Amino acid sequence: QKEVEQNSGPLSVPEGAIASLNCTYSDRGSQSFFWYRQYSGKSPELIMFIYSNGDKEDGRFTAQLNKASQYVSLLIRDSQPSDSATYLCAVKLMWRAQKLVFGQGTRLTINP
Amino acid sequence: EPEVTQTPSHQVTQMGQEVILRCVPISNHLYFYWYRQILGQKVEFLVSFYNNEISEKSEIFDDQFSVERPDGSNFTLKIRSTKLEDSAMYFCASSTTPGAQQQDTEAFFGQGTRLTVV
Repeated sequence: QKEVEQNSGPLSVPEGAIASLNCTYSDRGSQSFFWYRQYSGKSPELIMFIYSNGDKEDGRFTAQLNKASQYVSLLIRDSQPSDSATYLCAVKLMWRAQKLVFGQGTRLTINP
Repeated sequence: EPEVTQTPSHQVTQMGQEVILRCVPISNHLYFYWYRQILGQKVEFLVSFYNNEISEKSEIFDDQFSVERPDGSNFTLKIRSTKLEDSAMYFCASSTTPGAQQQDTEAFFGQGTRLTVV
């Protein structure tokens, strides 16, 4: 069974600190990795995607990918209360695959 | 900013009834998707649609489900005979064609239709 796993949390982080969210995936053939943010009752909203080993930065967000360890993470610097949401990790198996396989999501709370 | 729009935002239906969920994808996108999320559970892929036909579907997408692009703008999901367990948030998404090599394109999600089967 191909799966994407995340710690469901909740993860509590003080405002201004770094929030670290982790995701592991089981299929070594996975090629593209996505982080979505989902507020309660709302749709997933893309934060960023990564497909090469290493780090990718976009503003306060950094995605990290380690294909050898089948591990992808998202760091949020200078966390704000508005970052409080559920963060979904999603994986595509192939470059031209269309299906996103989602993890359960990690609920993040930023405490003022 | 272009967006995926879904209607209705909330649909209540009786078990056994047919429902049609509607979506207008982003206008220059070519791939269309339906996902669902049962309350408290993960987002699950149902089906993808390209060039007027299903390109991929999950084991959830059985004979009671169908998709259609009836005109140049709408993309619909029909559930023929709803069951209680079909109650979920249904998300439509769209993307441009998957790129070659290391290019990739993200799927943009609509705001969802909350389906409640009673």
